[in-house]
Amino acid sequence: SQTIHQWPATLVQPVGSPLSLECTVEGTSNPNLYWYRQAAGRGLQLLFYSIGIDQISSEVPQNLSASRPQDRQFILSSKKLLLSDSGFYLCAWSHSGYEQFFGPGTRLTVL
Amino acid sequence: KNEVEQSPQNLTAQEGEFITINCSYSVGISALHWLQQHPGGGIVSLFMLSSGKKKHGRLIATINIQEKHSSLHITASHPRDSAVYICAVPPGGSQGNLIFGKGTKLSVKP
Repeated sequence: SQTIHQWPATLVQPVGSPLSLECTVEGTSNPNLYWYRQAAGRGLQLLFYSIGIDQISSEVPQNLSASRPQDRQFILSSKKLLLSDSGFYLCAWSHSGYEQFFGPGTRLTVL
Repeated sequence: KNEVEQSPQNLTAQEGEFITINCSYSVGISALHWLQQHPGGGIVSLFMLSSGKKKHGRLIATINIQEKHSSLHITASHPRDSAVYICAVPPGGSQGNLIFGKGTKLSVKP
């Protein structure tokens, strides 16, 4: 069966520090991968999605970036965090045309 | 631009009540998703449907493509059903990324 992992589960970082969140999927190949953010009191927002290795599409301009160095690994990064980057970050996978499966999420607090 | 509207935003029910959550969207879609987000933040996909009705246990999802409307029903609600229920659709009819409604926060009291 397929599983999706995210780490860390929680993170507290100072403004201006770098960020690296990792997501890995097991039990499937060639998945579509997604990074979403849920800011406090707001709905889910798509940040990045990827249909293959090194193929990343960005949905919103921001100081975040994403990379997919391996088929089942998706990384969300920032060189300098902003206060507005605080939120709940969710990774998800799917095969095109089918339902999405979400990871457990990372709660990021930028102070 | 595809927009997704959910109602109500908040819903409080007594255990055993029948629950209905509504979702409307603005453009044609290929499928609609219903998700459940628990208080800890984890999200579970409940349904993906493109026509008619789907049932899973006490949960029923219906969709009317012509009216661009979907409903999620919970029969015999239970406190463990307390969660945020989110409707999502693919933008522009694509099958990939999703646009989400703001969610309906359901609280079922014992």
